[in-house]
Amino acid sequence: EIVLTQSPATLSLSPGERATLSCRASQSVSSYLAWYQQKPGQAPRLVIYDASNRATGIPARFSGSGSGTDFTLTISSLEPEDFALYYCQQRSNWPPTLTFGGGTKVEIK
Amino acid sequence: QVRLVQSEAELKKPGASVKVSCKASGYTFTGHYMHWVRQAPGQGLEWMGWINPNSGGPNYAQKFQGRVTMTRDTSISTVYMDLSGLRSDDTAVYYCARDLGYGGYERYCFDLWGQGTLVTVSS
Repeated sequence: EIVLTQSPATLSLSPGERATLSCRASQSVSSYLAWYQQKPGQAPRLVIYDASNRATGIPARFSGSGSGTDFTLTISSLEPEDFALYYCQQRSNWPPTLTFGGGTKVEIK
Repeated sequence: QVRLVQSEAELKKPGASVKVSCKASGYTFTGHYMHWVRQAPGQGLEWMGWINPNSGGPNYAQKFQGRVTMTRDTSISTVYMDLSGLRSDDTAVYYCARDLGYGGYERYCFDLWGQGTLVTVSS
């Protein structure tokens, strides 16, 4: 099973700062990598799919990059509503098996 | 309105089974795979499997093979997740989540989520 490792576990930043979140896969997942945002008491929300495509309604300050085993989610300038938990998720080849990383919490400094 | 509405919270005893429903509206039900994802209290996300609402064919994560059954009723645009042999570590919020892909072009990521159903397993 492919393991996703997210770092750091917690990112303490101020509004307006740049956030850089990392997700590393134990083996190549090509570009089959998605990112989700989750706020307390809510279901996750798709932010990025296929490593670099913004989901519908996601602001341009969110961007994704990477392929193979190393991926990054960047929030160019943090807005108050961006402070949340972020998970990466991959799907492996046939039969498709999906796994999530352990999450990165972006908190207000 | 495009949404997924899940059934209410459940309290079950160890060894029992639970069946969670997820009703879709606002889109072509048979066009998108439906996945189930769970989240234990204070923990991360765990994928359980998917069902193809068109054919009814499921694919389960290996961890849940033999304990989980996913079905659908196309007449009411509803999918179900049945988990048997419940243990205390099955206590979690269970989500249904729609696959982003459409019409046979699955993307295996989730663009629409239900509100979650808390299943508590306790004696």
